[in-house]
Amino acid sequence: KNEVEQSPQNLTAQEGEFITINCSYSVGISALHWLQQHPGGGIVSLFMLSSGKKKHGRLIATINIQEKHSSLHITASHPRDSAVYICAPRPNTGNQFYFGTGTSLTVIP
Amino acid sequence: DVKVTQSSRYLVKRTGEKVFLECVQDMDHENMFWYRQDPGLGLRLIYFSYDVKMKEKGDIPEGYSVSREKKERFSLILESASTNQTSMYLCASSWRVNYGYTFGSGTRLTVV
Repeated sequence: KNEVEQSPQNLTAQEGEFITINCSYSVGISALHWLQQHPGGGIVSLFMLSSGKKKHGRLIATINIQEKHSSLHITASHPRDSAVYICAPRPNTGNQFYFGTGTSLTVIP
Repeated sequence: DVKVTQSSRYLVKRTGEKVFLECVQDMDHENMFWYRQDPGLGLRLIYFSYDVKMKEKGDIPEGYSVSREKKERFSLILESASTNQTSMYLCASSWRVNYGYTFGSGTRLTVV
């Protein structure tokens, strides 16, 4: 079974700060999903990546397959970025993603 | 945009009741999933389905069953609800096996 660890578990930042959330996993994977969950429950897909780096607006996701590690970066953070960020790697075998417990981000104005 | 719609946002049921949670997606996705989310545990897979009338157990299927009679609809059934099934239930769908998920907005179920 794939073990997924996210760090930090909780993060408070001032508006404008650069933020990094880390995700480590224990098995070989074919892809990794970064998701955002706002208070109230809805989950939104941010990125799906299997190598290198992807960028969308102020969000950047990177992955190092050999080191079994991925990071999500937020540049120029804003209070509306406050949410739980969840990483979900997909092992090479099997049909499902495994979900981390999430990083709770609060951005203070 | 793909939509995944869960029939109820909040539900309160009594112990022993049979509970149906419905999930409908509108983009012809092959795969559908039911997860529950509990504090400190992340999302855990209950059941998934990769085709009509097909289902596979996830990591925590005990106490649950599912039904997929039509491609767009995936139902989660609690045969006899218990208090330890109080949780947030999330449905998701994906086009194919290696594609990303689209999630519904969740159903917060309380069993009293």
